[in-house]
Amino acid sequence: GQNIDQPTEMTATEGAIVQINCTYQTSGFNGLFWYQQHAGEAPTFLSYNVLDGLEEKGRFSSFLSRSKGYSYLLLKELQMKDSASYLCAVMDSNYQLIWGAGTKLIIKP
Amino acid sequence: GAVVSQHPSWVICKSGTSVKIECRSLDFQATTMFWYRQFPKQSLMLMATSNEGSKATYEQGVEKDKFLINHASLTLSTLTVTSAHPEDSSFYICSARQTGEDRGTQYFGPGTRLTVL
Repeated sequence: GQNIDQPTEMTATEGAIVQINCTYQTSGFNGLFWYQQHAGEAPTFLSYNVLDGLEEKGRFSSFLSRSKGYSYLLLKELQMKDSASYLCAVMDSNYQLIWGAGTKLIIKP
Repeated sequence: GAVVSQHPSWVICKSGTSVKIECRSLDFQATTMFWYRQFPKQSLMLMATSNEGSKATYEQGVEKDKFLINHASLTLSTLTVTSAHPEDSSFYICSARQTGEDRGTQYFGPGTRLTVL
């Protein structure tokens, strides 16, 4: 079956760095997405990786290793507004998105 | 760019009534739109894939006669919850993928919170 694993919850301190991991097993691979979802709101797109390596976009970076079925989202200089759920999703061979359950990130002052 | 709107943002209705939710891509054409449902503290669940000009593809366990989907144009898809019951109360979110980009990013609408009394 298809499976996306990410931690349920993480806690970090304002100004620090946090890494949210995602491992996947899917039938085929056409890219991995990270979305941010604040409570009560719809997800917003953060990043897309289809090749191995690190993609940097401001305070957020996303890394992919296809051979290991592994990705992480790195958030630097954490701000209180970064408190949200972070969703990992993989596009399979049918171009369907397989969603992880999300990681709730709690930022403490 | 890549803005998706939903209407209404929230709706309260009586049990047994039908509710229509609209999803529009404002600045791009979307051959394919997706309808999700999310219960509190749970992950997104794909309900159906909506294709312009053809019938929607429903996920297993989703009743197509209860959740009617119409994708009549390249910028509009509608989801109608027929004969709604309290267990249908949920957060309904649509997303759209730009035409020609089968591998493209899905952009989400702001969601519609449905409460059935």
